[in-house]
Amino acid sequence: AQKVTQAQTEISVVEKEDVTLDCVYETRDTTYYLFWYKQPPSGELVFLIRRNSFDEQNEISGRYSWNFQKSTSSFNFTITASQVVDSAVYFCALTEGSARQLTFGSGTQLTVLP
Amino acid sequence: EPEVTQTPSHQVTQMGQEVILRCVPISNHLYFYWYRQILGQKVEFLVSFYNNEISEKSEIFDDQFSVERPDGSNFTLKIRSTKLEDSAMYFCASSWEHNSGNTIYFGEGSWLTVV
Repeated sequence: AQKVTQAQTEISVVEKEDVTLDCVYETRDTTYYLFWYKQPPSGELVFLIRRNSFDEQNEISGRYSWNFQKSTSSFNFTITASQVVDSAVYFCALTEGSARQLTFGSGTQLTVLP
Repeated sequence: EPEVTQTPSHQVTQMGQEVILRCVPISNHLYFYWYRQILGQKVEFLVSFYNNEISEKSEIFDDQFSVERPDGSNFTLKIRSTKLEDSAMYFCASSWEHNSGNTIYFGEGSWLTVV
């Protein structure tokens, strides 16, 4: 069975600080995909990134970066120079090769203070 | 940018009443989904739908739930006789393909309150 753990329930930082959101996953499949979604206060789920299990290259998109490490089954998300608009709940999610549904972590509430 | 749209954004209903939540998936997508999120909890898969039939469903999706694609654009979730525990945010989603690596795009959600 697949599982996603986001141990940080809530994080609070001051604007311009860097922050890392942790995600640890469990799967028996060798083929799987990892995702991050953002849920701002308005409630929608916004897709941020998708990685497959064969591509461990880290990715940077503006102030966002992702660190995928198969050795530790982690897919962490870092926001550099955080802004108030980054305040949201961030969900890590997983699909396996044999399953087609997203399994979500419990989410991390990020609050960026001005 | 194409998006998934959902109506209503918020509905209050009495226990035992039927509710229909509506969704318009992204126009060229072929696979459709419903997920739900009880307040403060994680997002949970309910059902996936392709080619006018259910392709997968979770144990949450019991006989009280049904889905339909009544025309070429809408995708609906019906709850026949609502219970208090059905109160949640219901997300519609769609994807171009139905493999595990394909990105699923979500709508803004329909908040259902059962009283």
